[in-house]
Amino acid sequence: AQTVTQSQPEMSVQEAETVTLSCTYDTSESDYYLFWYKQPPSRQMILVIRQEAYKQQNATENRFSVNFQKAAKSFSLKISDSQLGDAAMYFCAYRTLGWGKLQFGAGTQVVVTP
Amino acid sequence: SAVISQKPSRDICQRGTSLTIQCQVDSQVTMMFWYRQQPGQSLTLIATANQGSEATYESGFVIDKFPISRPNLTFSTLTVSNMSPEDSSIYLCSAHHGGDNEQFFGPGTRLTVL
Repeated sequence: AQTVTQSQPEMSVQEAETVTLSCTYDTSESDYYLFWYKQPPSRQMILVIRQEAYKQQNATENRFSVNFQKAAKSFSLKISDSQLGDAAMYFCAYRTLGWGKLQFGAGTQVVVTP
Repeated sequence: SAVISQKPSRDICQRGTSLTIQCQVDSQVTMMFWYRQQPGQSLTLIATANQGSEATYESGFVIDKFPISRPNLTFSTLTVSNMSPEDSSIYLCSAHHGGDNEQFFGPGTRLTVL
């Protein structure tokens, strides 16, 4: 069974600074998807970024980028130029190819200070 | 993309009663999912709902407690039966949108059982 581990319950960052959230996972599959979701106090789950395991290039979406290390089964999220609106719970998630279910990590609470 | 709505957004219920949560998607989707998020916790998959077949439940969840309907490709309901305070959680509906190959989430239903 796949497991997703987020070892940082909370991370604090100042506005305009950079913060990196860590995520590791365990799988025997060779192809799969990895995701970072953001959940603000509104409860709405928002997809931040997605990485396909067969792609060696790290995904980037504006201020958000990932460091995908397939051999190490590591998938970290970097938030650059942090903004107050980035404050939220961030979940790392794994999914097999096709219609597979999402397996979530425990989450990391990001606090942004002015 | 897909826009998902849920009703009710929140409810306070008495022990022993049942609540049905509705999930509406603005486009046809094959796979719909129901998740539970207990206070301060991550998301846990309850079941996968396919149109025209019975829902597939995850370990620890049973149909008698969480009956699910999926009458068409845009709608699903989750019933929380014979509720106890331990059922107090956020319940989220999700849909797999094949065109985008990603899962979209509804805004969640916050349930409090007294």
